[in-house]
Amino acid sequence: EVQLVESGGGLVRPGGSLRLSCEASGFTFTRYAMNWVRQAPGKGLEWVSAISIGSVSTYYADSAKGRFTISRDNSKNTLYLQMSGLRAEDTAVYYCAKEGEAAGLDHWGQGALVTVSS
Amino acid sequence: DIQMTQSPSALSASLGDRVTITCRASQSIGSYLHWYQQKSGKAPKLLIYAATTLQSGVPSRFSGSGSGTDYTLTISSLQREDFATYYCQQTYSSPRTFGPGTKVEIK
Repeated sequence: EVQLVESGGGLVRPGGSLRLSCEASGFTFTRYAMNWVRQAPGKGLEWVSAISIGSVSTYYADSAKGRFTISRDNSKNTLYLQMSGLRAEDTAVYYCAKEGEAAGLDHWGQGALVTVSS
Repeated sequence: DIQMTQSPSALSASLGDRVTITCRASQSIGSYLHWYQQKSGKAPKLLIYAATTLQSGVPSRFSGSGSGTDYTLTISSLQREDFATYYCQQTYSSPRTFGPGTKVEIK
């Protein structure tokens, strides 16, 4: 069974940093690209970032460029999202998701809540 | 960037109704279009990928169609467990944008 478990969420002050982790199991992590998607309270889904299988390519939403860094450690089956320069508008539940066919997101974690507030 | 729109933004329907949700891209996305269902407080679930392919385990009352810029999600006979918010997403190019969502409510 595919499992994605996010951790590292919490309360952070504006301008601060936070690193989210997503531990994967139940599939061959090294064979799949991975994504981060977020959802602000009461709002829709917003795609944040994606990383290719061997970390060769990374992709970011405009809202994340220059502030967020996606990475993966294939030896630990873990996906990361390093976030810096956090703003109130970054407050959201952050989901990690595995890519499947045509880059559809076929498995999702339970989400990690990030709250940016003073 | 490719913009995604969905219509309607919300709808009320009865059990057994046929429901259709439309998603439109600002440019052709070559069927790199996926549909997700999200229930309150839960992670999204993939229903349809590549415009028309049913994800494993998803009931056959869900179907997808479309090409180019216009896509449709159809629920042939609405069941109680289908009341949720539905999102489309394009993965043709980065950023891989989602539509704003369609909330399906009980009439």
